[in-house]
Amino acid sequence: EAQVTQNPRYLITVTGKKLTVTCSQNMNHEYMSWYRQDPGLGLRQIYYSMNVEVTDKGDVPEGYKVSRKEKRNFPLILESPSPNQTSLYFCASSSWTVGTYNEQFFGPGTRLTVL
Amino acid sequence: QKEVEQDPGPLSVPEGAIVSLNCTYSNSAFQYFMWYRQYSRKGPELLMYTYSSGNKEDGRFTAQVDKSSKYISLFIRDSQPSDSATYLCAMKVTGGGNKLTFGTGTQLKVEL
Repeated sequence: EAQVTQNPRYLITVTGKKLTVTCSQNMNHEYMSWYRQDPGLGLRQIYYSMNVEVTDKGDVPEGYKVSRKEKRNFPLILESPSPNQTSLYFCASSSWTVGTYNEQFFGPGTRLTVL
Repeated sequence: QKEVEQDPGPLSVPEGAIVSLNCTYSNSAFQYFMWYRQYSRKGPELLMYTYSSGNKEDGRFTAQVDKSSKYISLFIRDSQPSDSATYLCAMKVTGGGNKLTFGTGTQLKVEL
């Protein structure tokens, strides 16, 4: 089954304790992205990657890091989480063909609470 | 001002009703317009997308884009309880990566 998987699905942590949220896709997609979803703000892009070893900032990158060492994986790293990073996080992936529509497929989400 | 505005609802309708969901936007460079459906505790899933202006129909769902008014709509005919979800509009420019700009979502409940 074609899918985007995220782990963990739920995480409660404390301020300053480094964490990683994993994202993996099995569709051989070039493009991967992380969004956070907050009430009243909608989904906002954190980071994206056009291909292996190519990453760039989205609209709200502060406090986050990413890496893309393999095509299928795109982990989101919070080196020193703070309470304002409490949110619902989604990973998404798509093929990437310039000049055409490339549908993004979303993972099931990771609900993060930082105390 | 947000680039994309969407009434958050909640919107409650009886089964069989016609539902109209709307978004307005300010960035005239948007060329792709999407509607996603998000069930509780799930990720968004694409319902349909439209390129530039016009209408697109898929079963009970119709998407409309009016670029002159910077206004998009999703109509759901013969609404069903299974349509109860949050509906997100999203938009992107041509080129410039694959970044989506989302509305905040409208929560819809279809009651028996």
